Amino acid sequence: NAGVTQTPKFQVLKTGQSMTLQCAQDMNHEYMSWYRQDPGMGLRLIHYSVGAGITDQGEVPNGYNVSRSTTEDFPLRLLSAAPSQTSVYFCASSYGFTGELFFGEGSRLTVL
Amino acid sequence: AQSVAQPEDQVNVAEGNPLTVKCTYSVSGNPYLFWYVQYPNRGLQFLLKYITGDNLVKGSYGFEAEFNKSQTSFHLKKPSALVSDSALYFCAVSPTSGTYKYIFGTGTRLKVLA
Repeated sequence: NAGVTQTPKFQVLKTGQSMTLQCAQDMNHEYMSWYRQDPGMGLRLIHYSVGAGITDQGEVPNGYNVSRSTTEDFPLRLLSAAPSQTSVYFCASSYGFTGELFFGEGSRLTVL
Repeated sequence: AQSVAQPEDQVNVAEGNPLTVKCTYSVSGNPYLFWYVQYPNRGLQFLLKYITGDNLVKGSYGFEAEFNKSQTSFHLKKPSALVSDSALYFCAVSPTSGTYKYIFGTGTRLKVLA
């Protein structure tokens, strides 16, 4: 059972480039989400989804897009990378309101 | 605004001593409460949660947490700390308002000294 799989683990971008962080889960969870972790700020919710075709914004959505075409996959797209998007990104999934989050191993992104 | 506070950036405790990592929250209604642990260069792992019922919740690796509604707190505790407990701990709240907008605290680094 792989759980939540994120790729890539590391990425370096130049300002203005675009990229997609991939996230896949094999637990049939309806809820999936993306967080960014920055020192001293904890985890902040970027976007989340409660099922295929349904997405919503979190606390810090600007500069990021998401889509949910299948239950398993929830990619995060950076449209035009900025240095302020340098961070560690985590994908997480859950089976419901009372369920705990299952996290991927993280993707460390550096924007130069 | 809804928020979760972890007032201590770092907690140091000697191995074998009891430990407490503090968490308070400001969320409307009756939220669901969670603790997660993060080891270096890893994702967060679930420790325990409070949904309803007994105020003392037991979780993984000997950890427990006490829910106090009047003080809006959910402190993490362990009777006897291990060096291997050294990690970053996060408190999180899931508001029961029908949204999935979990709110995380800023994290507390626990250092257990041998």
